[in-house]
Amino acid sequence: GEDVEQSLFLSVREGDSSVINCTYTDSSSTYLYWYKQEPGAGLQLLTYIFSNMDMKQDQRLTVLLNKKDKHLSLRIADTQTGDSAIYFCAEGVKWQAGTALIFGKGTTLSVSS
Amino acid sequence: EAGVTQFPSHSVIEKGQTVTLRCDPISGHDNLYWYRRVMGKEIKFLLHFVKESKQDESGMPNNRFLAERTGGTYSTLKVQPAELEDSGVYFCASSQDRPTYNEQFFGPGTRLTVL
Repeated sequence: GEDVEQSLFLSVREGDSSVINCTYTDSSSTYLYWYKQEPGAGLQLLTYIFSNMDMKQDQRLTVLLNKKDKHLSLRIADTQTGDSAIYFCAEGVKWQAGTALIFGKGTTLSVSS
Repeated sequence: EAGVTQFPSHSVIEKGQTVTLRCDPISGHDNLYWYRRVMGKEIKFLLHFVKESKQDESGMPNNRFLAERTGGTYSTLKVQPAELEDSGVYFCASSQDRPTYNEQFFGPGTRLTVL
């Protein structure tokens, strides 16, 4: 079955880079996603990458995809205290007539000043 | 544009009681999804509506859960009778109907506690 794995915690200092890693199992996934959840808020789509891409950069965010190893990473440059949140990796899986998201357990990023 | 809204934000009930969660998707979004996150675990897909039709309910845990979307607008998720293991955060998401990439917009979730 589908499974998405990611580390549970990451702690960095303000100004450092953060790298959150994720592995997934469904090789047919067309899109892979990173969602962010701040305390008391819903899930916010941070970025996504199409499965035929290796890398996507969006301001401070860099997504790397290794399709052979089914490994996805999110790098946040110059991490700020406002980046403290839970980050979820997700793959889009086509089931029947729709696309469901398969999530990992989330990585809690803690940024200290 | 209003985002996805969910009501209530929190619900505390006793085992055996009934609870109904509501989700209002973004206007014009035909796709509506329910997900659940049990404490410390991953967010799991429950079901998917396209307009008023259930397209996929393979993630529904058991027949104590009933989801409806009458008229293709808002959706309700009823748990009857609630059990302790039903505690968690229930998220709703909606998206437009596009042939390729379609972003799912999430609501803030309803935190359900069953005592």
